[in-house]
Amino acid sequence: ILNVEQSPQSLHVQEGDSTNFTCSFPSSNFYALHWYRWETAKSPEALFVMTLNGDEKKKGRISATLNTKEGYSYLYIKGSQPEDSATYLCASYGGSQGNLIFGKGTKLSVKP
Amino acid sequence: KAGVTQTPRYLIKTRGQQVTLSCSPISGHRSVSWYQQTPGQGLQFLFEYFSETQRNKGNFPGRFSGRQFSNSRSEMNVSTLELGDSALYLCASSLGGGFTDTQYFGPGTRLTVL
Repeated sequence: ILNVEQSPQSLHVQEGDSTNFTCSFPSSNFYALHWYRWETAKSPEALFVMTLNGDEKKKGRISATLNTKEGYSYLYIKGSQPEDSATYLCASYGGSQGNLIFGKGTKLSVKP
Repeated sequence: KAGVTQTPRYLIKTRGQQVTLSCSPISGHRSVSWYQQTPGQGLQFLFEYFSETQRNKGNFPGRFSGRQFSNSRSEMNVSTLELGDSALYLCASSLGGGFTDTQYFGPGTRLTVL
């Protein structure tokens, strides 16, 4: 069974700090990696879908990179704002699984 | 375009009862997936339906079942409820359920089993 790990579990930063967190996944038979943002009392919202080794995606102050050979993806937030406070989830399609396997998430808190 | 809707939003049941949750996908989406989230756990995949057929199933007991209708709306049923079934149940829809298809999540149904 595919295992997707995220670190750290939680992160507290000050407004204006830049931060990053990691998603690791089995690199064999990899198909795609998804990143979601989940704010409290809302639904998870898709950020990126990534498939190619070396891929880099950007959305405003948030960007993500993908290394499929070693099985990891980084999510970066530049100049964190309080509204970035959320749990960030990654999920991978791979192997014989025909569905997304989610990590437990990184909970980010940004203090004003 | 209307988003994914789930009903009811909150539900309280007692052990041994059964429950049915409903999910209406975004118009035009044919794939619906269901997930369970419990404290300390990530989203655990329950099953995926596409064109009224269960295409994938997660590692959950047979008490968990689902179905999809011709309009792509989906229901999930849990029979003989246990305390451990207390969780947030999310459904997500996508165009075709392919590995690059973005999944759009509903607000979830919070189930409490007493």
